[in-house]
Amino acid sequence: GQNIDQPTEMTATEGAIVQINCTYQTSGFNGLFWYQQHAGEAPTFLSYNVLDGLEEKGRFSSFLSRSKGYSYLLLKELQMKDSASYLCAVTNAGNNRKLIWGLGTSLAVNP
Amino acid sequence: NAGVTQTPKFQVLKTGQSMTLQCAQDMNHEYMSWYRQDPGMGLRLIHYSVGAGITDQGEVPNGYNVSRSTTEDFPLRLLSAAPSQTSVYFCASSWARGDGTYEQYFGPGTRLTVT
Repeated sequence: GQNIDQPTEMTATEGAIVQINCTYQTSGFNGLFWYQQHAGEAPTFLSYNVLDGLEEKGRFSSFLSRSKGYSYLLLKELQMKDSASYLCAVTNAGNNRKLIWGLGTSLAVNP
Repeated sequence: NAGVTQTPKFQVLKTGQSMTLQCAQDMNHEYMSWYRQDPGMGLRLIHYSVGAGITDQGEVPNGYNVSRSTTEDFPLRLLSAAPSQTSVYFCASSWARGDGTYEQYFGPGTRLTVT
């Protein structure tokens, strides 16, 4: 079967670092997306990892381990505007445009 | 570029009515898709298209039709609305970079209520 697991909710403090984990089990795998979605808005693209390792983009970094079926999104220097839902999605090797989505992690950043 | 646009933003239908949700993109992306998002269910793929004239079903296609006559437009038709189709609908388009990765962009969404 195919399954993606993320924590439902997380809280963190402004200025801190938070790591959001995502584990997946799929029949085939091509790559993994992270998206940010503010309440009432559309998801916006954060990262797409195909190879193992860490990719850094400013305050956000994403890590992938294909052998472990594991990824994390690291958010540094948290700001209030980072309060949002973070969605993990994987692409199937057979059709890398059909995404399998996790339910998302709702992050609350407190002052 | 306007990116991915969707109309309408909000819609209320009565059970049994039909309507078309519009989606357009001006980025010349070959791949477009429709999702619905419901609390506790995450994003679910309804239909997708890999290019003009080519469409295929996703996870939850029943009750919906699509067509792709042009690269730019990908409308979603609800044939006979049911309360179970109350949801937020997102259209998305994507392009492939030369390095094997790609980005997917979402439209702003249509909030549909069926009474």
